[in-house]
Amino acid sequence: GAGVSQSPSNKVTEKGKDVELRCDPISGHTALYWYRQSLGQGLEFLIYFQGNSAPDKSGLPSDRFSAERTGGSVSTLTIQRTQQEDSAVYLCASSFLPDTQYFGPGTRLTVL
Amino acid sequence: GNSVTQMEGPVTLSEEAFLTINCTYTATGYPSLFWYVQYPGEGLQLLLKATKADDKGSNKGFEATYRKETTSFHLEKGSVQVSDSAVYFCALHTGANSKLTFGKGITLSVRP
Repeated sequence: GAGVSQSPSNKVTEKGKDVELRCDPISGHTALYWYRQSLGQGLEFLIYFQGNSAPDKSGLPSDRFSAERTGGSVSTLTIQRTQQEDSAVYLCASSFLPDTQYFGPGTRLTVL
Repeated sequence: GNSVTQMEGPVTLSEEAFLTINCTYTATGYPSLFWYVQYPGEGLQLLLKATKADDKGSNKGFEATYRKETTSFHLEKGSVQVSDSAVYFCALHTGANSKLTFGKGITLSVRP
């Protein structure tokens, strides 16, 4: 079946611009996660959505980062006023069971 | 809080060599343990998992046993192949918080 998909696969932007990253989870998966993978910090949790519950935003690094999940399916991660330190690969994962997460291919963000 | 410690890399082996990648963890509660693999240019893939003490996860010739007494989940393979060259991440998840906590990852290179 179809896996987790993310778009775009690559995004180059200028410092100060806003970007939106999209994630389509596996159909039927109720939980959706965003992570960030960077050379200096490794893999970091950003935000977690579970059904209709309030999201766990505890990993968002600043108020420039936000995410929403519409209709319990597609999610968008928005980064406002991008900075060079935001350059990383942004990974989305989804799960049905509470622990087994399946990852998408990621969006590589480069902030010039 | 939760943390995962992986042995320092990179690791370079000859084909058919025995592989051990060490992973130890600190967690509140009773974690589920995972190994994820990232092949060059690809996203994270679940390799194997174990959800309780003494469980052994296995896949593609790789094995790892959940050792509660030593808080470890070492990855082993009896005979590595060139196609096993990738980055390997140890991770854990606890029911109290659904986010995955990852180790820093280790790069494995297998030469013919």
